[in-house]
Amino acid sequence: NAGVTQTPKFQVLKTGQSMTLQCAQDMNHEYMSWYRQDPGMGLRLIHYSVGAGITDQGEVPNGYNVSRSTTEDFPLRLLSAAPSQTSVYFCASRTGHPLAEQYFGPGTRLTVT
Amino acid sequence: KQEVTQIPAALSVPEGENLVLNCSFTDSAIYNLQWFRQDPGKGLTSLLLIQSSQREQTSGRLNASLDKSSGRSTLYIAASQPGDSATYLCAVRHDYGGSQGNLIFGKGTKLSVKP
Repeated sequence: NAGVTQTPKFQVLKTGQSMTLQCAQDMNHEYMSWYRQDPGMGLRLIHYSVGAGITDQGEVPNGYNVSRSTTEDFPLRLLSAAPSQTSVYFCASRTGHPLAEQYFGPGTRLTVT
Repeated sequence: KQEVTQIPAALSVPEGENLVLNCSFTDSAIYNLQWFRQDPGKGLTSLLLIQSSQREQTSGRLNASLDKSSGRSTLYIAASQPGDSATYLCAVRHDYGGSQGNLIFGKGTKLSVKP
């Protein structure tokens, strides 16, 4: 199994550009989520999904959009990139059981200039 | 609002020492607590998962304990090695209604083990 995969690994954007960060998992997990990690701030939840067609906001959702059309994929869209969105983005997944362990992807390092 | 604190923020020890990393959380209504390791520029590797009904979990030289009533967890690393150098993150899955049990992270402890 590949687990949780993310593409690209690195990305540089100019302010105002849009892009999509890809996340996929092959473990048939119902629950998927996106976090961002910033120095001194820890990991913060952006959006999450409890199944195909269902998404909800986390702690820091502004400037990001998500959709979940399949169980496997959970893309994160930056609508109009801003320097404040420079961060490392992690996708995670787990089963729907509340006691389940959470698995993380390798991350995407995004720089917005 | 659930808050997770990790102390110390950084720790440097000589090789071979036993050490303890601390994690505290403000709300005891949690499903479980997970310890992760993060190497520089890398993703998160799960080390141990403790369910709220458990007191401890062990994996090799690692032992994690959980005292849910006092809001504390410790990660004990025995006979530390330079390869243990990394940032260790603690995260709790809280039990708030409607939140679907998202992970709340501490800011981590950066461990350096000197040869």
